[in-house]
Amino acid sequence: EVHLVESGGGLLQPGRSLRLSCTASGFTFGDYAMGWVRQAPGKGLEWIAFIRREVYGGTTEYAASVKGRFTISRDDSKSIAYLQMNSLKTEDTAVYYCTRHYQVSEYISDWNYYYYMDVWGKGTTVTVSS
Amino acid sequence: DIQMTQSPSTLSASVGDRVTITCRASQNINNRLAWFQQKPGKAPKLLIYKASSLETGVPSRFSGSGSGTEFTLTISSLQPDDFATYYCQQYTTYWTFGQGTKVEIK
Repeated sequence: EVHLVESGGGLLQPGRSLRLSCTASGFTFGDYAMGWVRQAPGKGLEWIAFIRREVYGGTTEYAASVKGRFTISRDDSKSIAYLQMNSLKTEDTAVYYCTRHYQVSEYISDWNYYYYMDVWGKGTTVTVSS
Repeated sequence: DIQMTQSPSTLSASVGDRVTITCRASQNINNRLAWFQQKPGKAPKLLIYKASSLETGVPSRFSGSGSGTEFTLTISSLQPDDFATYYCQQYTTYWTFGQGTKVEIK
């Protein structure tokens, strides 16, 4: 059975750093792109980070709200995705979900790749407060 | 940025009702739209991808339609387990979610 398990959440002060981990099981981790989505208390869902498969260079994308502060990475040998969060702000308080991204390939004069989130972890809570 | 707008924000319905939720994209996203169900304290669950494709294991009372900028999620006969919040999401350019539609008991 496919599982994603997040860990590393906690309570910390503004300006501090934290690294979240997402441990995958039940599938070949290296065959999938991965990402992170967060949900502030009582609010909706916000995509924040994405990393492609190593075969596509493991390149990354970020939402404007976290670009320059957060870094997503992956270790395919351990089946783990990470989210390094620096310079944390009170508005980063949220439940952070790890997501597996299913790739869809479309050819229109060239190959284009799109990804939808097909598997989610249960989430880990990050609280940033002074 | 592509904006996603859902309506209504809240929907009151009874078991057995046919329920429809609408999602509008700010620009053409072809059929690159997913629907998720989220229950309180739980992670979202994929219901529909590619606007109308049912994810494995999802009951057939759920269906999706639309293309371009207008999409709908329909629950043909609402069941007790379906009371939840539903989100649409585009995946044409990065990923953007609608604000959610809470389906509550009438």
